[in-house]
Amino acid sequence: ETGVTQTPRHLVMGMTNKKSLKCEQHLGHNAMYWYKQSAKKPLELMFVYSLEERVENNSVPSRFSPECPNSSHLFLHLHTLQPEDSALYLCASSQDWGSGASTDTQYFGPGTRLTVL
Amino acid sequence: LAKTTQPISMDSYEGQEVNITCSHNNIATNDYITWYQQFPSQGPRFIIQGYKTKVTNEVASLFIPADRKSSTLSLPRVSLSDTAVYYCLVGGIPGAGSYQLTFGKGTKLSVIP
Repeated sequence: ETGVTQTPRHLVMGMTNKKSLKCEQHLGHNAMYWYKQSAKKPLELMFVYSLEERVENNSVPSRFSPECPNSSHLFLHLHTLQPEDSALYLCASSQDWGSGASTDTQYFGPGTRLTVL
Repeated sequence: LAKTTQPISMDSYEGQEVNITCSHNNIATNDYITWYQQFPSQGPRFIIQGYKTKVTNEVASLFIPADRKSSTLSLPRVSLSDTAVYYCLVGGIPGAGSYQLTFGKGTKLSVIP
């Protein structure tokens, strides 16, 4: 039990659809992250939120729009995606962000497998 | 920004001890060293973390020499279920650029019956 849940686990969408990915953490953490993992590629950090404020946007296209309404929830809103956006999208949380210390340890959710047709 | 270097892949037979070494020559004073395990189509799972010397938990041991420029993850008596990708990370430091806790390509461990 990681304490980080993601829904849906699988999502198939067309290029003109709008959908949202949801992440919830039950660990009382202050920071949350979105990662993208394409086939046979390293994890790519997309966004970081610390205390509900976005602190990192790693050059992500605007068709991906994050939202963090509170410290326990993180959304990734998707619109007009491309087939190359098909990937595993992972959410993570950590106690703190950016300290370089043990409280930066990230705990991951199971991911959402996204397929864009 | 501390960069890590790991072997791309390793093979081991069941029951053997496996040691995966990671080099991080530019590690900063306040950086911790963290290892994650990832199975296909799942999120990475925290294995162990350390700052210096040796850390041991129920899953693995982590050996860190005095200069902290490398670390070794030790998995005792591996089984087939230990087949996964193992990532070594060191904490990044926020600065003028992007703070990055960067996952490299990791080490793909294959355990052979």
